[in-house]
Amino acid sequence: GQNIDQPTEMTATEGAIVQINCTYQTSGFNGLFWYQQHAGEAPTFLSYNVLDGLEEKGRFSSFLSRSKGYSYLLLKELQMKDSASYLCAVNDYKLSFGAGTTVTVRA
Amino acid sequence: EPEVTQTPSHQVTQMGQEVILRCVPISNHLYFYWYRQILGQKVEFLVSFYNNEISEKSEIFDDQFSVERPDGSNFTLKIRSTKLEDSAMYFCATKTAGAFGRQYNYNEQFFGPGTRLTVL
Repeated sequence: GQNIDQPTEMTATEGAIVQINCTYQTSGFNGLFWYQQHAGEAPTFLSYNVLDGLEEKGRFSSFLSRSKGYSYLLLKELQMKDSASYLCAVNDYKLSFGAGTTVTVRA
Repeated sequence: EPEVTQTPSHQVTQMGQEVILRCVPISNHLYFYWYRQILGQKVEFLVSFYNNEISEKSEIFDDQFSVERPDGSNFTLKIRSTKLEDSAMYFCATKTAGAFGRQYNYNEQFFGPGTRLTVL
């Protein structure tokens, strides 16, 4: 079975840094995706890790440790538009999603 | 940049009616997926489709659901007799078969904007 856990909610101040953790126990693994989802919209791709280590893309970075079944998404220099749900998804030729972390950015 | 499109954007139907949700994949993509998201819940895998056949399906995808690629471009999800609990956002996603384009992310699935299905 698939078990993917991430915190339900996080709140941070504009300009700050937030780290969203994701732990997973899955029957198969072919990489881990992070998606951003605004209410009523489709998930949009943020990052993909298939090897251990840190991937950096502008204000967003993602880290993976396959031996620990752990990933995090780091959002830097938070902006109001970053208020959204962030979805951790394990790729096993299909995507298995966590429940999502709602990030609220306050002024 | 090429996009996955879905129609309709919103479908309202009566319980027991049949609905067909349509998806137009990105042109060089060969793997197709349907996911659903009930309001306030997580995105759930329904079915994957490759080479004109189902490659994997979840326990949600029972006999009431079917998929096909009727004309080589559209990819459809049919629900034969809708139930109240089928109310959800339905997302189509597609993926290329090869490691071209953004090569490192060849596993990336591109999501359509979704169809909001409301069953009354």
